[in-house]
Amino acid sequence: ETGVTQSPTHLIKTRGQQVTLRCSSQSGHNTVSWYQQALGQGPQFIFQYYREEENGRGNFPPRFSGLQFPNYSSELNVNALELDDSALYLCASSIGTGNEKLFFGSGTQLSVL
Amino acid sequence: ELKVEQNPLFLSMQEGKNYTIYCNYSTTSDRLYWYRQDPGKSLESLFVLLSNGAVKQEGRLMASLDTKARLSTLHITAAVHDLSATYFCAVDMDSNYQLIWGAGTKLIIKP
Repeated sequence: ETGVTQSPTHLIKTRGQQVTLRCSSQSGHNTVSWYQQALGQGPQFIFQYYREEENGRGNFPPRFSGLQFPNYSSELNVNALELDDSALYLCASSIGTGNEKLFFGSGTQLSVL
Repeated sequence: ELKVEQNPLFLSMQEGKNYTIYCNYSTTSDRLYWYRQDPGKSLESLFVLLSNGAVKQEGRLMASLDTKARLSTLHITAAVHDLSATYFCAVDMDSNYQLIWGAGTKLIIKP
């Protein structure tokens, strides 16, 4: 068990709505990275949070935003949902900003109808 | 823009056979990772390759990295059914902390 937990596990929304996904990082980890994985594809980097600040961002529009809290848990918010936002959303926690030891959660499966 | 290509994307093989999955990438990087994903499960780290010529082995799996050729391989020796999964390679982009992932190789090993 990795210790990274994500909630909810599944979610159904309609186009135009807003959604918040949550990630509880592994104990002692101060960095959370979020990824989007479309069906049959590899994950795509959304952004990384380190010590409550956005530390890097991939090619995603501003309607994808995040937060990291003092206990290092994190939220991913997506506004104005589009059909193409349907995907598995993964968070990964780590100590520091390097990618050598990422621990992934099981993901949130988001369906946008 | 960094691109990562895996091949094959799908592989069906018999137990006991050997095979290699290839991961090519389009720009300079000396850090590459291999992950395994079972259906409905999380991504599990298999190998971390941090320099040219790096070779790591765990059980029936062996990974290598050639940064000059921009190529990594994941070799499976005497495959067993339990190795059935999707395998991803991911290349580290130092500039903004992101990993660029291949599309994955779905491996099915038949008894």
